[in-house]
Amino acid sequence: GQNIDQPTEMTATEGAIVQINCTYQTSGFNGLFWYQQHAGEAPTFLSYNVLDGLEEKGRFSSFLSRSKGYSYLLLKELQMKDSASYLCAVRFKDTGRRALTFGSGTRLQVQP
Amino acid sequence: NAGVTQTPKFQVLKTGQSMTLQCAQDMNHEYMSWYRQDPGMGLRLIHYSVGAGITDQGEVPNGYNVSRSTTEDFPLRLLSAAPSQTSVYFCASSYSSSSGNTIYFGEGSWLTVV
Repeated sequence: GQNIDQPTEMTATEGAIVQINCTYQTSGFNGLFWYQQHAGEAPTFLSYNVLDGLEEKGRFSSFLSRSKGYSYLLLKELQMKDSASYLCAVRFKDTGRRALTFGSGTRLQVQP
Repeated sequence: NAGVTQTPKFQVLKTGQSMTLQCAQDMNHEYMSWYRQDPGMGLRLIHYSVGAGITDQGEVPNGYNVSRSTTEDFPLRLLSAAPSQTSVYFCASSYSSSSGNTIYFGEGSWLTVV
């Protein structure tokens, strides 16, 4: 299959930094996405990586290592509103040109 | 700009009933898809379309039909609802360019089959 693994839950403190890891099957890899999803809402796009390295966008950064089948999402200066689920999604070449395969999501709880 | 619009937002069905979840996008996106999201399982692809008149199956297509008669609309039909189809359904769309395109999601449709 095309398993995508990420931790189920994480807890962090307001103002701190948290790293959410994602591992995936490397065969057929064609891009990795991170989405944020608040409870009862649709996923919203955070970042896209297709080449190795770090993509920085404000407080959020995403890293990709294609050879290792590994990505992480880094959230800095955590705020209470960052409490949400974070979904790692991979586009594989054999599942439709634009379809994504999602991990189960990491539920992040930010505490005061 | 409405983006991706799904209706209805909430629906309760009896086992065996049929219904259609509507999805429309006003961004002239070629690619549209339907996902379902169950607790602890992430989003799973049901069906997708790369353009008007073209549809294909995703990971969990059984019990669902789709059609794509126009670029804007991509309805999802449940032929005979089953309790296992209780889920949250998301419609999504994007351009079909090869660059790092963003996939836009609708607000979701909460379906309960009793």
